[in-house]
Amino acid sequence: NAGVTQTPKFRVLKTGQSMTLLCAQDMNHEYMYWYRQDPGMGLRLIHYSVGEGTTAKGEVPDGYNVSRLKKQNFLLGLESAAPSQTSVYFCASSGPSRVTEAFFGQGTRLTVV
Amino acid sequence: GENVEQHPSTLSVQEGDSAVIKCTYSDSASNYFPWYKQELGKRPQLIIDIRSNVGEKKDQRIAVTLNKTAKHFSLHITETQPEDSAVYFCAASSGGSNYKLTFGKGTLLTVNP
Repeated sequence: NAGVTQTPKFRVLKTGQSMTLLCAQDMNHEYMYWYRQDPGMGLRLIHYSVGEGTTAKGEVPDGYNVSRLKKQNFLLGLESAAPSQTSVYFCASSGPSRVTEAFFGQGTRLTVV
Repeated sequence: GENVEQHPSTLSVQEGDSAVIKCTYSDSASNYFPWYKQELGKRPQLIIDIRSNVGEKKDQRIAVTLNKTAKHFSLHITETQPEDSAVYFCAASSGGSNYKLTFGKGTLLTVNP
């Protein structure tokens, strides 16, 4: 039982490049989330999903897109990376009810130069 | 939307002392309040949570209290140990149709031997 797995763990992008971060969970959770963590800013919600085929905007969605085609996967895309998107990205999942523990992936450290 | 304020941002204590971290929330519909611990370079992990129908919960050296009227909740760590040194995040969520988990900005706790 791997829990929540993020791919890749590290990445360096040039400004304007695109990339996709993959989050996979094997706990059959309904709810999945993408957060970014910056020094002194805590964990800020980018986008989230309440079930397969659904997505919703969080606190800081601009510059990101997401998809949840399969229940176990939640993809975060950056279409045109900017230096302001340099951050550590965490995926999390929770379920089956709405108010239960969220399990986090190990994080992806992204640097945009 | 929900807003979670967390204080203090840094806290330094001597080993064996107690530590208290406080959070306030804005959405009266919030009904689930977890606390996460994040060690350096690691993922956040749940240490304790409380639901709105309970005023206090304790787990060994860790306790959480909730005041729904004042919309604030606190984490109490007694008999602190060096391994308690980490960043602690409070969070709040509601069970409404637009479920999401909003985090505070975090508290860096340092326990000095």
